[in-house]
Amino acid sequence: GAGVSQSPRYKVAKRGQDVALRCDPISGHVSLFWYQQALGQGPEFLTYFQNEAQLDKSGLPSDRFFAERPEGSVSTLKIQRTQQEDSAVYLCASSLVTSGETQYFGPGTRLLVL
Amino acid sequence: AQTVTQSQPEMSVQEAETVTLSCTYDTSESNYYLFWYKQPPSRQMILVIRQEAYKQQNATENRFSVNFQKAAKSFSLKISDSQLGDTAMYFCAFMKPRYNNNDMRFGAGTRLTVKP
Repeated sequence: GAGVSQSPRYKVAKRGQDVALRCDPISGHVSLFWYQQALGQGPEFLTYFQNEAQLDKSGLPSDRFFAERPEGSVSTLKIQRTQQEDSAVYLCASSLVTSGETQYFGPGTRLLVL
Repeated sequence: AQTVTQSQPEMSVQEAETVTLSCTYDTSESNYYLFWYKQPPSRQMILVIRQEAYKQQNATENRFSVNFQKAAKSFSLKISDSQLGDTAMYFCAFMKPRYNNNDMRFGAGTRLTVKP
């Protein structure tokens, strides 16, 4: 079956622009995670959805970051008024249920803010 | 908060040889999961192996095995018969299941190069 997909794969934005990053999880997966991966670092947690409910957004670095999953499948991470420090790879992961399940990652969106 | 430490930023190994990647973590929890993920250059992260903390037996997946020392909070990955395709970044990750989240905490990674 299809894995987790993300689009776009690459995004170049001018500082101050808004961007929207899309994640299509594996069909039927309840849990969806967004992570931010800076160059040469491990991923860091941003936010978590269980179906359409955003249960944890403690990792979002500022109120410029917003995520949604309105129908419990596709999710969008939106960054408003992008800053250079937002440049990173944004990874989406999904898992079938909740407790202790393996997370399956998408290829990521590489965002470069100029 | 849980922290994960990978003390080897880079390692290299000759093809067909064995290499061990180190990982330590800090937690006061007794129930948790540990993972090793592989991230090849410009490719997506894939699961290598996982370990449930309540299991004493070390997990094994073909050429990959772990040495899980719960008391020492150590979780090393051994790759036997290394292949060129094993060249990648390897990340150790910790997960504490909670009712409202199951996010993973990752180490900084170890870049492994397999040489022909």
